[in-house]
Amino acid sequence: QKEVEQNSGPLSVPEGAIASLNCTYSDRGSQSFFWYRQYSGKSPELIMSIYSNGDKEDGRFTAQLNKASQYVSLLIRDSQPSDSATYLCAVNRGDDKIIFGKGTRLHILP
Amino acid sequence: DTGVSQDPRHKITKRGQNVTFRCDPISEHNRLYWYRQTLGQGPEFLTYFQNEAQLEKSRLLSDRFSAERPKGSFSTLEIQRTEQGDSAMYLCASSLDSHYGYTFGSGTRLTVV
Repeated sequence: QKEVEQNSGPLSVPEGAIASLNCTYSDRGSQSFFWYRQYSGKSPELIMSIYSNGDKEDGRFTAQLNKASQYVSLLIRDSQPSDSATYLCAVNRGDDKIIFGKGTRLHILP
Repeated sequence: DTGVSQDPRHKITKRGQNVTFRCDPISEHNRLYWYRQTLGQGPEFLTYFQNEAQLEKSRLLSDRFSAERPKGSFSTLEIQRTEQGDSAMYLCASSLDSHYGYTFGSGTRLTVV
């Protein structure tokens, strides 16, 4: 079992709709959770971090964490063409480094 | 805060040659990380430093790879006797505390021909 698993996509979502991205992780001791956005040919950019169960909202983005189910999600409301990118789920297991999933490619349809 | 800088941005080298990449972290960040990313994959951890001490190396880091961070400032990643399988994006990141995530540099794209 991979440490951080994501559906590679592509996930196609109409402009203005809600995009829902999901991730599961294997280490129950994981302490912090992140979503990075990566445009083609560019480096990852941190867009959301979450540390406790529940929801965390920042503008159009909402991160959700369920430690019992070892599940992290990212919702993007009012999706824009500029949201088309690869979204990387990442987890800090508490050993001072972050493990990344393979990423989900998101395509917003104009 | 000028961000994390990596140099060069692109490197094309012939198989068997040695290459060296440089990373300048955010100045107050004591932790510096190297990752490798290939097409369709997420970043894979290679090694990290806290100040000048190299605290962990991945099994991915063969004997041909070496990293240094003299004086706890910039870091270099050297690949000796490059192979075609080394072609990838090499990402550097820095942080004060990994609990809060990293800031990545722009990366160095290596192509071995």
